Amino acid sequence: AQSVTQLDSQVPVFEEAPVELRCNYSSSVSVYLFWYVQYPNQGLQLLLKYLSGSTLVKGINGFEAEFNKSQTSFHLRKPSVHISDTAEYFCAVSDPGNFNKFYFGSGTKLNVKP
Amino acid sequence: SQTIHQWPATLVQPVGSPLSLECTVEGTSNPNLYWYRQAAGRGLQLLFYSVGIGQISSEVPQNLSASRPQDRQFILSSKKLLLSDSGFYLCAWRGGGDTQYFGPGTRLTVL
Repeated sequence: AQSVTQLDSQVPVFEEAPVELRCNYSSSVSVYLFWYVQYPNQGLQLLLKYLSGSTLVKGINGFEAEFNKSQTSFHLRKPSVHISDTAEYFCAVSDPGNFNKFYFGSGTKLNVKP
Repeated sequence: SQTIHQWPATLVQPVGSPLSLECTVEGTSNPNLYWYRQAAGRGLQLLFYSVGIGQISSEVPQNLSASRPQDRQFILSSKKLLLSDSGFYLCAWRGGGDTQYFGPGTRLTVL
């Protein structure tokens, strides 16, 4: 089974500063990778996904992520954050050979301060 | 376009009472459907998934059960709730590229 590690449970950052949220996964086999955002008391919204092709993936709200196979990482970045980006972010991995199983990280709470 | 609904949005139930949460999907047919639970401060735990009517796979043994009586309806149930059943319950369906899309969730508090 896969495991997903989000080392930072909370990331405080000032508005307009850059941010990186880290995600590492356990398996070296081919996987699909996802980042979701969750606002308080809401469901998860897909930010971006990597299925194949270019290792740099652009998503909604100005976020992007880079797939690094050798380091089994899929870090999420944004060059300049806004107050409205305050939310919890989840990294997820699915095994293409077992598409019914998504493995989620424990989440990173991004707190953007004015 | 596809839409996923969950109800109720919030629920407060006493220990030992029954539970029924409903999830419905619009705009797609024969979707794979999923139930997750999110406990406070934790990630998402897959509880059940279904690939078709009447087909349920259980990921975590517990006092919850799931049913799929119709193509686009997925129900999560319990006969007797425990305190540990409190959490945020999310339903999801699988779209293209093996992407899962989530509903708005149900906040369950067991007292």
